[in-house]
Amino acid sequence: AQSVTQLDSQVPVFEEAPVELRCNYSSSVSVYLFWYVQYPNQGLQLLLKYLSGSTLVKGINGFEAEFNKSQTSFHLRKPSVHISDTAEYFCAVSDLSGGSNYKLTFGKGTLLTVNP
Amino acid sequence: AAGVIQSPRHLIKEKRETATLKCYPIPRHDTVYWYQQGPGQDPQFLISFYEKMQSDKGSIPDRFSAQQFSDYHSELNMSSLELGDSALYFCASTEQITDTQYFGPGTRLTVL
Repeated sequence: AQSVTQLDSQVPVFEEAPVELRCNYSSSVSVYLFWYVQYPNQGLQLLLKYLSGSTLVKGINGFEAEFNKSQTSFHLRKPSVHISDTAEYFCAVSDLSGGSNYKLTFGKGTLLTVNP
Repeated sequence: AAGVIQSPRHLIKEKRETATLKCYPIPRHDTVYWYQQGPGQDPQFLISFYEKMQSDKGSIPDRFSAQQFSDYHSELNMSSLELGDSALYFCASTEQITDTQYFGPGTRLTVL
């Protein structure tokens, strides 16, 4: 079974500062990795994903993440945040052992608060 | 682009009542997943369907059942509702080739 650990439950930053949201996973098999964002009272929006290939993946809204297999990490970064980036960010993993099923296991989420 | 549609968006029920949540996947998506997100919690996998057959089951109570129909839409049926069932219920859909789940806006269920 896989698990996801988001090391920070809350990350406050000032506008235009860089940010890194940390995610580590545990799995005995190969995985797909995702970051989703959830704005208040809204659904989950896919930010970016790692399926295979280049370990540096770029997503929407200027976010990027780097897959590090040896450290089993998939940290999310943005060089300069905006007030509108304030939201809950979820890291998720699906393992490749389930045949045709790829259910997601989520981390507990990181609340990013961008202050003026 | 078309997205996942969930209905209703909000639902208020009394304890011991029943509820039916509906999910309409993105066109050509053949796989549907259901997740439950309690207040301040991460989403938890409930159940999934591939080509109208149940493909996996998670922490879904026996009081809940679900199915996927021939047009690929799915319904989550919840009976004998309890206060603890109050949550946001998400549906996500994928097509097998990409295995990337796209989520609907969710149905917020409140049990009084």
